[in-house]
Amino acid sequence: GAVVSQHPSWVICKSGTSVKIECRSLDFQATTMFWYRQFPKQSLMLMATSNEGSKATYEQGVEKDKFLINHASLTLSTLTVTSAHPEDSSFYICSALGPGYNEQFFGPGTRLTVL
Amino acid sequence: DAKTTQPPSMDCAEGRAANLPCNHSTISGNEYVYWYRQIHSQGPQYIIHGLKNNETNEMASLIITEDRKSSTLILPHATLRDTAVYYCIVPSGAGSYQLTFGKGTKLSVIP
Repeated sequence: GAVVSQHPSWVICKSGTSVKIECRSLDFQATTMFWYRQFPKQSLMLMATSNEGSKATYEQGVEKDKFLINHASLTLSTLTVTSAHPEDSSFYICSALGPGYNEQFFGPGTRLTVL
Repeated sequence: DAKTTQPPSMDCAEGRAANLPCNHSTISGNEYVYWYRQIHSQGPQYIIHGLKNNETNEMASLIITEDRKSSTLILPHATLRDTAVYYCIVPSGAGSYQLTFGKGTKLSVIP
C-alpha cells in the first residue's frame, strides 16, 4: 500500500511559538491531502482539505489564519500552527488521496504539546 | 456522510474470528462502505471497502447485506495486534472522499 510520512512525530513548544508539521506521500502523488486533529479519548476531526496548488478548504470552526496549510507539491503538504497555545495540544494526523486510489492513506501522526 | 452506528466495544478471543457490525440504514445506492482501524497513538489504517458485493483482502472480509443497510467486518483469526478502534464510514456522495469518523468499536483481543 501507499506510504505517508509525517515529521516530526512529536514536538513540544512554548506558548506563542509556531510549529510546522510536514506530511509526505512517499511513493505516490497525492492530489488531495487532509489534516485531522484528535484530542485524547476522542475521534478524529477533519480540519481541512487541501488540493495541490490551490487554497485549502477549512471545516467550520477551524481558524484558517491559525492553521496555515500549504500543499505546494504533489508529495508534500505542511500544517503550521501559528501562535500555539496549550489548547492546541493534540494529535495531528494527515492523510493523502492519490489519483486512482479509492482510499485515504494516513500518516503516523504528530503529537503536539504546547507548554 | 450517511450515519453509521457501531457498538462501542467488543471482545474477541485470540485466534477466533472477530465480527464487527455496522448499521448504515440511510446509505444511498452509490455510496461505499469503508472500514478503517486505529491502533493506539497511531494514524488510522485502511482495511477494506465495498459497494454491494462482499469483499475480501489479506486483512479482512466485508459482508454487506442485500439491502445495504448494514455490514459486517470479519477478521478471520484475530491476534493481539488487532486490538484497535474500528471505524465504519460511509462518505457522502459518489466520488466524495471526505471521511467523518464516529466513535467506532473498540475491539479488544483477549489472550
